[in-house]
Amino acid sequence: EDKVVQSPLSLVVHEGDTVTLNCSYEVTNFRSLLWYKQEKKAPTFLFMLTSSGIEKKSGRLSSILDKKELFSILNITATQTGDSAVYLCAVEERSGGGADGLTFGKGTHLIIQP
Amino acid sequence: DVKVTQSSRYLVKRTGEKVFLECVQDMDHENMFWYRQDPGLGLRLIYFSYDVKMKEKGDIPEGYSVSREKKERFSLILESASTNQTSMYLCASSWDQLTEQYFGPGTRLTVT
Repeated sequence: EDKVVQSPLSLVVHEGDTVTLNCSYEVTNFRSLLWYKQEKKAPTFLFMLTSSGIEKKSGRLSSILDKKELFSILNITATQTGDSAVYLCAVEERSGGGADGLTFGKGTHLIIQP
Repeated sequence: DVKVTQSSRYLVKRTGEKVFLECVQDMDHENMFWYRQDPGLGLRLIYFSYDVKMKEKGDIPEGYSVSREKKERFSLILESASTNQTSMYLCASSWDQLTEQYFGPGTRLTVT
């Protein structure tokens, strides 16, 4: 069973629309949740969330985490064609050693139509 | 600016060959990671390392090994390449726990 589930898997909207991307997770020892944007190259980092209820914001993008309900959302307002990408959600689990690898969801493929 | 580089963008190998994928980071990061990315499956962790000569298995280590002789370099080794290892391979590095991972540009490996 997938530990990190993103929805929707794909989404097509018009420029100027607002979108909400969802990520739910089920891990034993949660450490952090990260959002990445991937165009035709390596994923680029957007946000890291560790605490519930604290919104992180960067321009038209914002994200929030709910550790009780085990989910996060990524909002994009006033979408532009340059926002078209795959958005990846990933969770880091705590273990006894150093940093651990990330468990990724399958991604949401967002297409912004002009 | 953090830079993570991978030795090849595209690679074609034959079944049974030994394949080395190299990754170098220039930010003195402690942690390095290898993922593979496949359509419909997303990114999956193969191996990671949190110190020189240390390695930990990820979710799908079978058929792979790794080497970290120097802090800045992390190699992924396919001992005997098979067609089901055709994939995009992404290397990443991070400074510490609770810090973001920076990704390299990826190597698209085709095994024929």
